[in-house]
This record gives sequence, C-alpha cells and structure tokens, in this order.
Amino acid sequence: DTAVSQTPKYLVTQMGNDKSIKCEQNLGHDTMYWYKQDSKKFLKIMFSYNNKELIINETVPNRFSPKSPDKAHLNLHINSLELGDSAVYFCASSRAQFNEKLFFGSGTQLSVL
Amino acid sequence: GNSVTQMEGPVTLSEEAFLTINCTYTATGYPSLFWYVQYPGEGLQLLLKATKADDKGSNKGFEATYRKETTSFHLEKGSVQVSDSAVYFCALSGLYDKVIFGPGTSLSVIP
Repeated sequence: DTAVSQTPKYLVTQMGNDKSIKCEQNLGHDTMYWYKQDSKKFLKIMFSYNNKELIINETVPNRFSPKSPDKAHLNLHINSLELGDSAVYFCASSRAQFNEKLFFGSGTQLSVL
Repeated sequence: GNSVTQMEGPVTLSEEAFLTINCTYTATGYPSLFWYVQYPGEGLQLLLKATKADDKGSNKGFEATYRKETTSFHLEKGSVQVSDSAVYFCALSGLYDKVIFGPGTSLSVIP
C-alpha cells in the first residue's frame, strides 16, 4: 500500500564500502528523484529521472550512480563511501517533471563509520 | 537563480498559540509555491500549495497566501496542537524547473 517505498531504512557501513539503496513507487508516476538531507535538515536534490531518462544531475560526486530499470524504480548505488556521505537519503516521485506535488519515501539513514 | 529563505528555528510554542513561519523567495517569472511538512522519522509530505499571486493555500488549519509584491508565502495557523510538531519546508518550483526547498523550520509544540 505504501506509495513510495525505499529500502533499507537504516544502513550502517564502513568507509570505502559500496552500498545500494532501492526505491519503488506504485503511483504510476513518470518522474522520480533522489534527495539528500543533512544533519541540519537541509534538503538537496541529487538526481531526477523522467520515464527512465536522467534529467537532473546536480553537482554530485561520480561515486553516486543512479539507475532506473523502469519508471517505477530508481535505485542509488554509492561507491567508496566516505564519512561525509552520512545523511538521510529520500526517494520521491511526481506525476510529471515540473510544477507537481512530490511524494516522498520515508528515508534511508546512512551512517558511514 | 531561484532561492527560498525561511525564518530560522527552532520555534517552540505552547498548545493553542498562534503560529507564523516566514518564507520569502527569489525567482524569475511566476513560480508555484509550496509548504511541505516532515514529521519525525518520516518523509516530507505536501501541506499546501498556491500557483499564482493572491492565491491562498489551506489544509489542516494551516494557511499561506502567495504575495507577489513582497515575494512571500508565510505559513500561519491560528491554534497549534502538539501533533503539529514537525519540520516545515517552504518550497518553490518554476514553470519548467525543479522544486527548490528552503532550509526548514523546526516547530515544537508543548502542552
């Protein structure tokens, strides 16, 4: 029943490891996003896909690689994790690219030790 | 570029107090404006929106009016409840542009 679901909810790992976060939406939306929220709650967009096509790629290290196998899924793979990657990562979706209500998942708390 | 500024928190109020969270924006053209709310441990959810000047968005007792002359979209509620404790984000979206969020304002309502 969950509209936007992401897994895992918590991820604790060592520096240098590679990890993935998965996201799925069952709303039939065309556009999906990854956001990063830091410890001060500041929210920054990382990537956006529209119908499996990358449309927004903010200044994000190339250790972060999104993958959209179909328009209902957008996964985030992170290579060589660093301490500064610790944050909450939110997946979101919207009906279309612009000017639309965003639906957020409940977040993945990533802690890099 | 487009940007959103919000009053700094945290804001602490007693139950039934009046709430105002200030939000101002900088944008070209006529953006849509939003308030999102994030309850503890959850993702953001849309609280209300307004798409043109003088529009008033409202939901769950919260209101905000799109003021183009002052480039503002202040959030108000007449009587807050403990359950309103959350982080509130003002946001804007240009006509063909991504959503930009303000830094968020944390609200704590005490009984």
